Amino acid sequence: AQTVTQSQPEMSVQEAETVTLSCTYDTSESDYYLFWYKQPPSRQMILVIRQEAYKQQNATENRFSVNFQKAAKSFSLKISDSQLGDAAMYFCAYRKAAGNKLTFGGGTRVLVKP
Amino acid sequence: SAVISQKPSRDICQRGTSLTIQCQVDSQVTMMFWYRQQPGQSLTLIATANQGSEATYESGFVIDKFPISRPNLTFSTLTVSNMSPEDSSIYLCSVEGYQETQYFGPGTRLLVL
Repeated sequence: AQTVTQSQPEMSVQEAETVTLSCTYDTSESDYYLFWYKQPPSRQMILVIRQEAYKQQNATENRFSVNFQKAAKSFSLKISDSQLGDAAMYFCAYRKAAGNKLTFGGGTRVLVKP
Repeated sequence: SAVISQKPSRDICQRGTSLTIQCQVDSQVTMMFWYRQQPGQSLTLIATANQGSEATYESGFVIDKFPISRPNLTFSTLTVSNMSPEDSSIYLCSVEGYQETQYFGPGTRLLVL
């Protein structure tokens, strides 16, 4: 079974600085998708970024970028120029290509200091 | 991305009772998913609901406790039956949209006393 691990329960960052969240996963599949979701205090799950395993190029979305290392089964999220609105829980998730089930990591809480 | 609504947004229930949560999507979708998020925890998939067939439950979840209906391509319900305080959680529905990405409803916050 696939597992997703987020080793950092909480990360703190100064406003305008950069923070990197780690995520590792275990799978025997070669084709899959990886996601980062943000969950602010409102509890709404918001997609931040997605990555297709067969693409070597790292995905970027404005201030959010990933470092996808397929051989190492690592998928870290970098938040640049952190803003107060970035404060939330961040969840890494895995989905194998031939399926639809999402497996989530335990989450990392991001605190942004003004 | 699809627009997903859930009702109720929150509820406080007595143990032994049941609550039905509704999930409405603004477009037709093949699959809908129900997740549970216990306090301070991550999301766990309860079941996958296809229109016109029985829901597929994940290990640890059973139909008698979490019956699901999927009467059409835009609507689903999840019932939490015979509730206990351990059922206090956020329940979220989701749908799979463009590029195999799941989009989530706003969640239903349930407190069982």
